[in-house]
Amino acid sequence: DTGVSQDPRHKITKRGQNVTFRCDPISEHNRLYWYRQTLGQGPEFLTYFQNEAQLEKSRLLSDRFSAERPKGSFSTLEIQRTEQGDSAMYLCASSPPAEPRATDTQYFGPGTRLTVL
Amino acid sequence: AQTVTQSQPEMSVQEAETVTLSCTYDTSENNYYLFWYKQPPSRQMILVIRQEAYKQQNATENRFSVNFQKAAKSFSLKISDSQLGDTAMYFCAFMSRTSGTYKYIFGTGTRLKVLA
Repeated sequence: DTGVSQDPRHKITKRGQNVTFRCDPISEHNRLYWYRQTLGQGPEFLTYFQNEAQLEKSRLLSDRFSAERPKGSFSTLEIQRTEQGDSAMYLCASSPPAEPRATDTQYFGPGTRLTVL
Repeated sequence: AQTVTQSQPEMSVQEAETVTLSCTYDTSENNYYLFWYKQPPSRQMILVIRQEAYKQQNATENRFSVNFQKAAKSFSLKISDSQLGDTAMYFCAFMSRTSGTYKYIFGTGTRLKVLA
C-alpha cells in the first residue's frame, strides 16, 4: 500500500493556460474526493466519485473545472483558462467501500500546489 | 447547510502539558460523523480521531480524546502529554451521508505549536 499519490506536486502556469492534475487512490478504495485548500484555510470540497460515477459537485466547481475517473481507479482534475484565483493546493483523498463496514475515514494525498502567474 | 467552526486560529502548549482544541458545528441531521485531522507543516493530512454521532461514548486514541456533546453540537479534541511532533494544523471535519452521497465539511483549522 503506497498511499494516495498526486502528480505533479507543483505546477506553475500562466493565466489562461489549461492544467491537469492526476490522483491515484489507494487501490481498494472506490471513493475519491477532490478538495481545494488555500493558505490558512481548511480544505473546500470540490467533487466526489464513487467508482467511476461523479456523485457530487460543489458549486465551487465552475464550468472551467472538470473531473473524471474513467475506470474507477485514478482521477484527473482539469482547470481550463486558469485565473490567478485558482492558485491553491489541490488535494485528493480516497476512502474504502462503505460495505461491509464504513469507516468514512479519508486518506489524503500530498496535494498539487498550483501557482497561476 | 452544515457548518464547522473552529474559533481558535492558533494555540500553543508546553511539551508534556494538555491542550484542548474547540470545534462546533451546525446540522439538522441526526446521523453523521465527526473527525479531527492533523496536517503537519509541509506534510499530508492524516486522521487523528473519529466519532460516530450515534455513539455516546467519547472516542479515544492513545493521547488523543474527544469531548462530544451532541446536543450542544460541540466536538473538542484533547491532547494529553503533548509532544513536539504534535505541532501541526488541526482540522475538525463533519461528514454526512444522505441518499448515497457524501459530504465532508472542514473547519478553518487551529494551528497548534508545542513548545520545548
